[in-house]
Amino acid sequence: DAKTTQPPSMDCAEGRAANLPCNHSTISGNEYVYWYRQIHSQGPQYIIHGLKNNETNEMASLIITEDRKSSTLILPHATLRDTAVYYCIGASNFGNEKLTFGTGTRLTIIP
Amino acid sequence: GAVVSQHPSWVICKSGTSVKIECRSLDFQATTMFWYRQFPKQSLMLMATSNEGSKATYEQGVEKDKFLINHASLTLSTLTVTSAHPEDSSFYICSPGRGANEKLFFGSGTQLSVL
Repeated sequence: DAKTTQPPSMDCAEGRAANLPCNHSTISGNEYVYWYRQIHSQGPQYIIHGLKNNETNEMASLIITEDRKSSTLILPHATLRDTAVYYCIGASNFGNEKLTFGTGTRLTIIP
Repeated sequence: GAVVSQHPSWVICKSGTSVKIECRSLDFQATTMFWYRQFPKQSLMLMATSNEGSKATYEQGVEKDKFLINHASLTLSTLTVTSAHPEDSSFYICSPGRGANEKLFFGSGTQLSVL
């Protein structure tokens, strides 16, 4: 799995866009970038994943740089319920792949 | 809806007893199940990988005789913490394997507290 680097913590005002960066300079060509979040005492929740194109779903947008060495998760209108630890993970596109979690970013949404 | 059911959500037990945690995949057949452990304020750490019908693979430093894994069917995997001690108190999470370029889902976790 690619080693990922994320800031340990971030704050964002409620209603604003939260932009969470992730560096994955060692990611290989067949590795996807996955984003998960974990709210206290719950299992990780899938947010989004992508290979090289930008992706958007009902939860967030994922912007991947052209060289694929970094990406940004965007929560367009952050709410208090988005307070969580966000994990950026690189995982190959082979089936049944385990995920290696880094330390993540603790995002706090401020009222 | 949930695709992974993990039970129990929390358990308190006395030191020396055994605790079984169940993880069920609800809408697909999981040939592989990943078991993670998470200590307070730390990230998830993979403990072991179970494969249906065969022995589990344990990560370095995880005692296979203490953390018994059974994956007898494609929808159920269990983790048994044998002779639990206070240092085994942790949050345990399961995650069934999926196909390539698919989402990996996680159970809701089991908080184990050993007195």
